[in-house]
This record gives sequence, C-alpha cells and structure tokens, in this order.
Amino acid sequence: EVQLVESGGVVVQPGGSLRLSCAASGFTFDDYAMHWVRQAPGKGLEWVSVISWDGGSIHYVDSVKGRFTISRDNSKNSLYLQMNSLRAEDTALYYCAKSAFIGYSSSWYYGFQHWGQGTLVTVSS
Amino acid sequence: QSALTQPPSASGSLGQSVTISCTGTSSDVGGYNYVSWYQHHPGKAPKLMIYEVSERPSGVPDRFSGSKSGNTASLTVSGLQAEDEADYYCSSYAGSDNLGVFGGGTKLTVL
Repeated sequence: EVQLVESGGVVVQPGGSLRLSCAASGFTFDDYAMHWVRQAPGKGLEWVSVISWDGGSIHYVDSVKGRFTISRDNSKNSLYLQMNSLRAEDTALYYCAKSAFIGYSSSWYYGFQHWGQGTLVTVSS
Repeated sequence: QSALTQPPSASGSLGQSVTISCTGTSSDVGGYNYVSWYQHHPGKAPKLMIYEVSERPSGVPDRFSGSKSGNTASLTVSGLQAEDEADYYCSSYAGSDNLGVFGGGTKLTVL
C-alpha cells in the first residue's frame, strides 16, 4: 500500500524558514516524480512544486520561485521542501502527492492518485 | 498560471444529478485531454475521481462521469448520495512550461 507521510509543519514567523519532509513507502520511490500541493485555509488546492525521479527536473509555481526549494533523497525514500522567506500567504496545509504512473508530467496527465494527509504550516507573528 | 474557474457551490437532492463546470483556456483545458477531478472531504486527503477527461480510476463509482467541450470540462454526479457532499476540484495539464493548474473548487451540497 502506498503511504505518504508529511511532517515538519509548525508555526513560524514571517521571514522565517522551515523544511517539510514526506516519507514514502509501499512503492519504488525513485521511479516517480513527486509533488507538493498546498491548501490555504478556506481556499482551494494550489500546486507548489514537482521534482523528477532523479532530481534533474524541477518546477515551481511562480509565487514560491526563489524562496522554496524541492529536493529528494532516494536512499531515504524521502521528499523535502525547504521554505525560506516565509509569508503569511504561505500559511497552508501542505500535501505531498504522486501519480500512479511514472513520468514527470504523469500526475497532470493521469491525476494525482496518491496523497499524504498533509502537514500544517502557519506563518504568523 | 491562473486557476481554472469553477462555480463556488453546487447542490442537488438525493438521487438527482448535478454537473460542475471547470473553465480554462485553449492553453490548458481546451488544448489537452488531460483534465482530472478530485473529491475532497475536510480533514481527508483528496481523492482522484476522473482523469483524462472521462476515465475513472478503479473503485470510483460509475455515478461519476466527466466530459469536455472546448475550454470547459464538466463533472456529473448522478444518483446523488449523502457521501457525495464534498469539495470538488478540477485540474488540467497546461503544457511543458506551466505543467498544470487546479480549479478554485466547488462545494457540493446534497439536499
């Protein structure tokens, strides 16, 4: 069974930094591109970032470019999101997610089949 | 990367049908047959209901169906059940530069 477990969400002050983690199990982690998707309170889903199976390809939503860095450690079956210069508008539940199919864009082609339960990031003074 | 446009709310009575729209542009919804739909109950992980416009993953009831015309995709839920009450989101592939985008979400109420 595929499991994605996020951690690292806390309350942080504006301008602060945070690293989120996603521990993966139940599948061959280094076969799949991995994504971060967030949901701000009372708002809809917003895609944040994707990393290819080997880390060679990465994309970000415009609002986090230059502040967030996605990475992965295939030896630890783990996905990360380093979040710097945090703003109030980054407050959200952050999910890691993947497709059931391999391929960098497969989650957009065939949907995000697997999701974690999310970790809450609150940016507030 | 503008969000796809969905109505904020929709409703239908038990046993009836309801259709939720998702409007984009020729650069996303209209340009590719890669529209997905998700059901999201508060406090739970989103669940994939439809992919590639009209395909259902294993285990999704055939009461859920998808279609597309031009720049607008639609999700139809037939034979509404109480457990269908949830937020629904569409997403679309948007090309190799932007990759993809979600809709703003629609809260479905079952009366």
